[in-house]
Amino acid sequence: DARVTQTPRDKVTEMGQEVTMRCQPILGHNTVFWYRQTMMQGLELLAYFRNRAPLDDSGMPKDRFSAEMPDATLATLKIQPSEPRDSAVYFCASGFGGGATDTQYFGPGTRLTVL
Amino acid sequence: GNSVTQMEGPVTLSEEAFLTINCTYTATGYPSLFWYVQYPGEGLQLLLKATKADDKGSNKGFEATYRKETTSFHLEKGSVQVSDSAVYFCALSDTSGGSNYKLTFGKGTLLTVNP
Repeated sequence: DARVTQTPRDKVTEMGQEVTMRCQPILGHNTVFWYRQTMMQGLELLAYFRNRAPLDDSGMPKDRFSAEMPDATLATLKIQPSEPRDSAVYFCASGFGGGATDTQYFGPGTRLTVL
Repeated sequence: GNSVTQMEGPVTLSEEAFLTINCTYTATGYPSLFWYVQYPGEGLQLLLKATKADDKGSNKGFEATYRKETTSFHLEKGSVQVSDSAVYFCALSDTSGGSNYKLTFGKGTLLTVNP
């Protein structure tokens, strides 16, 4: 059963530190999404890639967040410097096609706590 | 803009009870509609979807019908089980933006089923 994998699963860090989260999409998928989940805001889309090209990162705070796909098997989300308000669960999802009817397959998430 | 409104939780039911979780949407184009489910400690996974008006999505005993006239996509199950305890998310994907799309999620509804 192919799955999206994310590392680390849990991360506790101090304010001001750099945080890097990694995602391995399902082999053959050409779209990757980064979401943030909090109790207050629910699920928010941070960034969206198709064929490794960023198509939409309007949901991402540009001054501290960055998302990249160095290759088709790895997506990264970096926060520098981190702040307590960044504490959340970050999900990566992948899919194939990029059409409106396509299913997104979610990873298990990275739970980030910034002290 | 697009939005999804689903009933506030939490919802607590006894095993074998009937379940309805209401979901209504606002979209500028012709959306596809989804229900995703999140079990404790896991990422979201697709439960069912419908891509055009009057379509019925179904899976694992759950059903939802795409009602364009009432802009609704209510989730139902005739007899819930303890294993259905999870958070349920209604979502839409709007096709009006051309080839680029993204999912808009509701806030989620926590369902607890007691034996």
